Amino acid sequence: GQQLNQSPQSMFIQEGEDVSMNCTSSSIFNTWLWYKQDPGEGPVLLIALYKAGELTSNGRLTAQFGITRKDSFLNISASIPSDVGIYFCAGRPRGSQGNLIFGKGTKLSVKP
Amino acid sequence: DAGVIQSPRHEVTEMGQEVTLRCKPISGHNSLFWYRQTMMRGLELLIYFNNNVPIDDSGMPEDRFSAKMPNASFSTLKIQPSEPRDSAVYFCASSFGVTQYFGPGTRLLVL
Repeated sequence: GQQLNQSPQSMFIQEGEDVSMNCTSSSIFNTWLWYKQDPGEGPVLLIALYKAGELTSNGRLTAQFGITRKDSFLNISASIPSDVGIYFCAGRPRGSQGNLIFGKGTKLSVKP
Repeated sequence: DAGVIQSPRHEVTEMGQEVTLRCKPISGHNSLFWYRQTMMRGLELLIYFNNNVPIDDSGMPEDRFSAKMPNASFSTLKIQPSEPRDSAVYFCASSFGVTQYFGPGTRLLVL
């Protein structure tokens, strides 16, 4: 089946540093979503992208829908301790009826 | 507004017992998804419904798993009989359109 390659798997950074993570696929996606999951909770939507080339910000978060429609990245600027968690990319493949394909997640740790 | 509601939040049971997980989607959403999350396999889609009709159940592991959506505001995921390898966090999500909104999950432990 279709898969998303999300990298890196984990990151250990210092508070204040910028963070970048990305997802790639072998096929075209029509939509890219980025979620964050805190321990013991369900994933929460951060940013949704619907058009190739789209660049969207949500506070310190910025995400882009790759121009080839096969990739997306998420940047976090000036990280803070509450950014800790697992970040998932998700995409809807072209021709899909509604289900999303999820990446394996990037686990972010922030040292104060 | 209430988000997706799942119950119970935690379930501990013994192997062989029946387990029923419940989900109330966000009002007005027409699609409902059941996922299973483990460290080894990440988030796996088990089944999803559109307008209460099962669309894709190819992710359901085996016949021990069944899901129903009798109306637009309620769905169940049942495991009978349960096995230790079913231990995981089970998420329900709902959507109207592409964006899915997740519930808090049910953490299941089968001893």
